[in-house]
This record gives sequence, structure tokens and C-alpha cells, in this order.
Amino acid sequence: DGGITQSPKYLFRKEGQNVTLSCEQNLNHDAMYWYRQDPGQGLRLIYYSQIVNDFQKGDIAEGYSVSREKKESFPLTVTSAQKNPTAFYLCASSISWTAPDTQYFGPGTRLTVL
Amino acid sequence: ILNVEQSPQSLHVQEGDSTNFTCSFPSSNFYALHWYRWETAKSPEALFVMTLNGDEKKKGRISATLNTKEGYSYLYIKGSQPEDSATYLCAYYNTDKLIFGTGTRLQVFP
Repeated sequence: DGGITQSPKYLFRKEGQNVTLSCEQNLNHDAMYWYRQDPGQGLRLIYYSQIVNDFQKGDIAEGYSVSREKKESFPLTVTSAQKNPTAFYLCASSISWTAPDTQYFGPGTRLTVL
Repeated sequence: ILNVEQSPQSLHVQEGDSTNFTCSFPSSNFYALHWYRWETAKSPEALFVMTLNGDEKKKGRISATLNTKEGYSYLYIKGSQPEDSATYLCAYYNTDKLIFGTGTRLQVFP
């Protein structure tokens, strides 16, 4: 089955710890994205990657880091510098980064920092 | 700051009712407008990608229109069913990324 997988579904971490969220796709898509959702807000872009070995900051990149060493994988690290990390995180991919390309979303990871 | 506004925030309708909601976006430098449907406990799923002023798209009982000159898009659901209950998101493509609205949450009661 083609699609995007995110793991784990729920994640709990203590304050001050870094944590890495996994995102894998087998759709052969060039572009991948990380979004964050908070109550009452739209999806906000954290980082995106138009092609392997390249990525750009989105609107709320502070306190996050990513890598794109393989086409299929785009892990997101939430560092201790992120002031309010508790949120729902969605990963997405698209064939390319151009306007008409549909984004396909994973099931999301809910991160709770205690 | 580019804003994408959706209204209403939430909507409760009876099965069989038709309904519509609005997405407003900046009318300058338009590239594309996306509609997604997000059911609880599932991933957001693409409904439409619209690129031309006057575009009308249809998928079963759901249709959408686009006015890029005035910066709005309408999503219509004809004869709502309980399985239509979801949050409907619109997203405006700006230069190199999508900017999402906060969504309209639709609940259809049997």
C-alpha cells in the first residue's frame, strides 16, 4: 500500500528532552512537509523539503530541526529550545512543490511534553 | 501576513440539508486554492485543487467554486449525510507553500 506513515501516534516526553518524530513515504514524492496544529489554529508550516538533501524553514521553524538524507524520509526533531512543543504534528508529501500538486498527509503524531 | 479565513467555524445540519461554507484568501498573486476534508481520527484528504478564476469542481455531492478576483471560494454539499461530518480545510498556495485556514467543522445529524 502506498502512503505516508508517522510514528509513533502518541509521544510523551519530559521538558528539556529532544524528541524525533518519524515520517516515511513510499509514494516517490519529491516534496515533504511538516505542519503543526494547535487548537483554534490552522495547520502551520514548520519545515519543508522540495527535494532530497534540501530543506527550508517554514513559518514556525524556531526550536525544530529536520533532515532529508533519503527521498522517503523526513524526520522532525523537536528540540528543548521549542518553547511550547505540545501539539499535534502532521507530515505530508506531494509529487513536487508546485501549486497544483495535492499534498498527501500522514496520520499525525500527538506530542505531549510533561 | 497572508490570511486565509474560513466561515463559519462550525455548522450543525440535519441529514438531507444542503450546506455551504466560505474560504477567503488574498486576491493578489494567486496560484492555487486547495480544499481538504479531515475526518476525526483520520488524515486530511484532498478534495479539490483549483487554479483558474471561475473554476467549478464537483465530486459526488460536493462541489466548489472559485473567484480569484475577489478572493473567495465556496464549498457546497448537497443533501448532507452523517458521513460528511468532518472539518473542511481550505489552503491558499503562496509562492512556495500552502497557507491553511482554521477550517469549518461540519456535523450532520441523522
